Amino acid sequence: GQQVMQIPQYQHVQEGEDFTTYCNSSTTLSNIQWYKQRPGGHPVFLIQLVKSGEVKKQKRLTFQFGEAKKNSSLHITATQTTDVGTYFCAGPGGNKLVFGAGTILRVKS
Amino acid sequence: EPEVTQTPSHQVTQMGQEVILRCVPISNHLYFYWYRQILGQKVEFLVSFYNNEISEKSEIFDDQFSVERPDGSNFTLKIRSTKLEDSAMYFCASSGDPGRNQPQHFGDGTRLSIL
Repeated sequence: GQQVMQIPQYQHVQEGEDFTTYCNSSTTLSNIQWYKQRPGGHPVFLIQLVKSGEVKKQKRLTFQFGEAKKNSSLHITATQTTDVGTYFCAGPGGNKLVFGAGTILRVKS
Repeated sequence: EPEVTQTPSHQVTQMGQEVILRCVPISNHLYFYWYRQILGQKVEFLVSFYNNEISEKSEIFDDQFSVERPDGSNFTLKIRSTKLEDSAMYFCASSGDPGRNQPQHFGDGTRLSIL
């Protein structure tokens, strides 16, 4: 079945450093969605990318969808302590979302 | 902004008992989903529901699970005879038409603890 892989599993950065998480799907996706889950919280929708090669920005967050629509990345510039949490990518597969394993981000102040 | 609401926030149940987890999806959404997340692991799909019937289910969603939309607002997940390994966070989600790339929005979750 469809698989979504995400790396790294875990990243611990100093406040102010950049952070990137990468997502790879075993199949071509119609879109890719990114979610953030704070410790003890629920997945919160961040953004959806639909077009091949699409790049979207939300303040310090930059999301990219690959040309082949099989990979994506999320880059955070100058991390802050409020960025801590787990970042998940998810791709549609039939009538469901298939989630990556997530990248846990910890930020040292 | 409209939200998906879930009750209860935490449910503690003896193994073998039945539990019902409740969800109120966003009012103009027609597609509903249940996911679960075992502590420290990724979010796993259980079931999707549209037009009063299951549209897809995972291998986790076996005969002990069922879903229902008993009225125009609630969407429930029933686990008939709970097992220890059912302990997890259960998230309800709803969306507009996924064929139009409408994203899913998640509730706060119900933490299910089986003793």
